[in-house]
Amino acid sequence: KAGVTQTPRYLIKTRGQQVTLSCSPISGHRSVSWYQQTPGQGLQFLFEYFSETQRNKGNFPGRFSGRQFSNSRSEMNVSTLELGDSALYLCASSLGPESPGGYTFGSGTRLTVV
Amino acid sequence: DQQVKQNSPSLSVQEGRISILNCDYTNSMFDYFLWYKKYPAEGPTFLISISSIKDKNEDGRFTVFLNKSAKHLSLHIVPSQPGDSAVYFCAARSHTGKLIFGQGTTLQVKP
Repeated sequence: KAGVTQTPRYLIKTRGQQVTLSCSPISGHRSVSWYQQTPGQGLQFLFEYFSETQRNKGNFPGRFSGRQFSNSRSEMNVSTLELGDSALYLCASSLGPESPGGYTFGSGTRLTVV
Repeated sequence: DQQVKQNSPSLSVQEGRISILNCDYTNSMFDYFLWYKKYPAEGPTFLISISSIKDKNEDGRFTVFLNKSAKHLSLHIVPSQPGDSAVYFCAARSHTGKLIFGQGTTLQVKP
């Protein structure tokens, strides 16, 4: 069974640009969550989608947005990039919001803003 | 507002000894606690979990202890192996299903 696939793996963008990251969950998983990992901050929750609806949202500015498609694939978008947005962005999928055992993570997209 | 805290950024132990990783939380409504392990350039992988109605869960070399009155959980690894060297994240599940993670503890197991 294929795991969670995130594309691209690496990305370099310039300040002010916008970026779109993609996440394909495990087949059958309908819940997708996004996290930002930076040194010393751990994994900061961005948002969670289930059945194309945003269920939870973290404390990030409106420049960070996301969506989920009918096939459960999800994208997140960051507009007007800032240097501080440089991080590893992780996507995780699960069967549903209440499924025990937590999430399965992808390998992440490493975003560097210069 | 850090609801899940791992106060030790790093831990170093000798191979064969016990590794104890700690985690504190503030929200008594969390119903599930999990530990994830992360190697560089990979996503976190699920290690072990515990329901809030239990106080101990064991899986091979890994045991998680939950002390609800102290709002504290710990992960014990016995015996520690060099391959256990990684970043360990504890996470708590909120009533909405959202996972809230700690900052992570880097474990180094020396041969």
